[in-house]
Amino acid sequence: DAKTTQPNSMESNEEEPVHLPCNHSTISGTDYIHWYRQLPSQGPEYVIHGLTSNVNNRMASLAIAEDRKSSTLILHRATLRDAAVYYCILRVPGPDKLIFGTGTRLQVFP
Amino acid sequence: EPEVTQTPSHQVTQMGQEVILRCVPISNHLYFYWYRQILGQKVEFLVSFYNNEISEKSEIFDDQFSVERPDGSNFTLKIRSTKLEDSAMYFCASSELRDLMYQETQYFGPGTRLLVL
Repeated sequence: DAKTTQPNSMESNEEEPVHLPCNHSTISGTDYIHWYRQLPSQGPEYVIHGLTSNVNNRMASLAIAEDRKSSTLILHRATLRDAAVYYCILRVPGPDKLIFGTGTRLQVFP
Repeated sequence: EPEVTQTPSHQVTQMGQEVILRCVPISNHLYFYWYRQILGQKVEFLVSFYNNEISEKSEIFDDQFSVERPDGSNFTLKIRSTKLEDSAMYFCASSELRDLMYQETQYFGPGTRLLVL
């Protein structure tokens, strides 16, 4: 899997939008961009994924740069429950292991 | 909503003892994984399993480790002779397998915290 770079930590206040960046300058044409998060003392959980177009689901939005060398996970209104480590992961199509980096630890303040 | 379950939630064992960690994947899933996370470190892939055989394994998954799907519901990870450095949180995950181009989501269990003394 290609390498991704994320900030170690970010902070937000509750009910504010959060933009979590990820750089993946060596992404290949077939790599999908996946985001997972790990809440404290829990297993990782899927958030969203995309290939080229921006994606929205009930949890978040994913904005993908036109050259696909970076992406941003957007939490539209952060809640205390969104405090977690967020991982940006590149994956080839099909069933494949997840390779986790160190992710971004998001702190949300009331 | 269907979920992956794992037992036990915590396991304490003596070095050199065998442990079996159990997982019940989501019922219609066909692809299974084990990951581990040493305290304060990254989540690491151990092994993937499909059609009753190992699909891929990492360097961590040496001869001391084995996996099995003994029946239609359970998926187990066995460590034959535990070492101190096996102390970690072990996560089971499962996913559907629709086709090779599908971006399947992996669903993780809550983990088993293994402490080797």
